[in-house]
Amino acid sequence: EAQVTQNPRYLITVTGKKLTVTCSQNMNHEYMSWYRQDPGLGLRQIYYSMNVEVTDKGDVPEGYKVSRKEKRNFPLILESPSPNQTSLYFCASSMTGGVAYGYTFGSGTRLTVV
Amino acid sequence: GNSVTQMEGPVTLSEEAFLTINCTYTATGYPSLFWYVQYPGEGLQLLLKATKADDKGSNKGFEATYRKETTSFHLEKGSVQVSDSAVYFCALRDTGGFKTIFGAGTRLFVKA
Repeated sequence: EAQVTQNPRYLITVTGKKLTVTCSQNMNHEYMSWYRQDPGLGLRQIYYSMNVEVTDKGDVPEGYKVSRKEKRNFPLILESPSPNQTSLYFCASSMTGGVAYGYTFGSGTRLTVV
Repeated sequence: GNSVTQMEGPVTLSEEAFLTINCTYTATGYPSLFWYVQYPGEGLQLLLKATKADDKGSNKGFEATYRKETTSFHLEKGSVQVSDSAVYFCALRDTGGFKTIFGAGTRLFVKA
């Protein structure tokens, strides 16, 4: 089944403790991206990757890091999480970075930072 | 910069009613427009898309037309069902394909 898999689904952590949310897709998609979803704000883009080893900032990149060493994986790293990073996170992919392509989304990771 | 504005919800309808969710956008160049749907506890799913002016996207009885003159992409369905209850997001992918911007979402409740 074609899908984007995120892990974990739920995570509670403490301020300052480094964490990684994994994202993997099995569709051979070139483009991948991370979003956070907050009530009343919709989805805001954190980082995106047009292809392996090519990443760039979205609209809210502060406090996050990403890497794209392989086409299928695009982990999101929070080096020192803070409570304002409590949110619902989604990984998404598309066949390419072309304007006409829609996204396939993962099921989400609900992160709570206390 | 680019932006997407959609009507605030929630929208509450009775089964078989007509649905319209308004969406307007601001963009430079030639973006593509999308509607996504999110059911409780799930990720977003692509519902339909339109890639150029006057294109109509359609899927599962939903449709939306890319109107460049009014910068709009309103979602419509002729007869909603209880199973259509979800949050609907209007989105714009920029000309370079680098970024997709989402509206704030509109929650739809359909009563039996």
